[in-house]
Amino acid sequence: QVQLQQWGAGLLKPSETLSLTCAVHGGSISGYFWSWIRQSPGRGLEWIADINHDGSTDYNPSLKSRVDILVDTSNNQFSLKMRSVTAADTAVYYCARGKPILWSLWGQGTTVTVSS
Amino acid sequence: QSVLTQPPSASGTPGQRVTISCSGSSSNIGSNFVYWYQQFPGTAPKLLIYRDDEWPSGVSDRFSGSRSGTSASLAISGLRSEDEADYYCAAWDDSLRSWVFGGGTKLTVL
Repeated sequence: QVQLQQWGAGLLKPSETLSLTCAVHGGSISGYFWSWIRQSPGRGLEWIADINHDGSTDYNPSLKSRVDILVDTSNNQFSLKMRSVTAADTAVYYCARGKPILWSLWGQGTTVTVSS
Repeated sequence: QSVLTQPPSASGTPGQRVTISCSGSSSNIGSNFVYWYQQFPGTAPKLLIYRDDEWPSGVSDRFSGSRSGTSASLAISGLRSEDEADYYCAAWDDSLRSWVFGGGTKLTVL
């Protein structure tokens, strides 16, 4: 049974870089796209970015300038980096298994708070 | 303001059939598949329906989806108390070049 386990810093100061990692357990990272999605009371659910095992990426245009999504096939992991965070980036961040069946599997979520 | 429009709330009594709508435009629902997710407080969303009307393994057939024009619907038949949750629709938007979501519908079982 495939599971996603995610981790990363939960408290950041404005202008710092958010860094999250998601490990794929019980299955291969190949054959799917992998996503980061966030959820906040003010913005609802928001797709951030996708990546597949060979490094092909797709980004939400509204976040693209500040975001990098990376894959580490040797460790069956993928990660998210978001630069220059502000309070508006405060949200629960989820990793998820994407295409071919969109977001059929989700990580447990990481609460990220940006505060000075 | 979400790109896809859902009613903020819906309700029904046990055994009833309830429908949740998701309204979009020609650049999203009008030309791309719709996906539906169920979310309980404090947990991650769960895929209920993909590609308009298909069920992932393990999802009850009491849930069904449909799409027509620039709108989509999620129907829940034989409503149960455990169906009380938030429901979200999602689709790809060709103009925004992004996946977009509805604002969510909170379903209450009376």
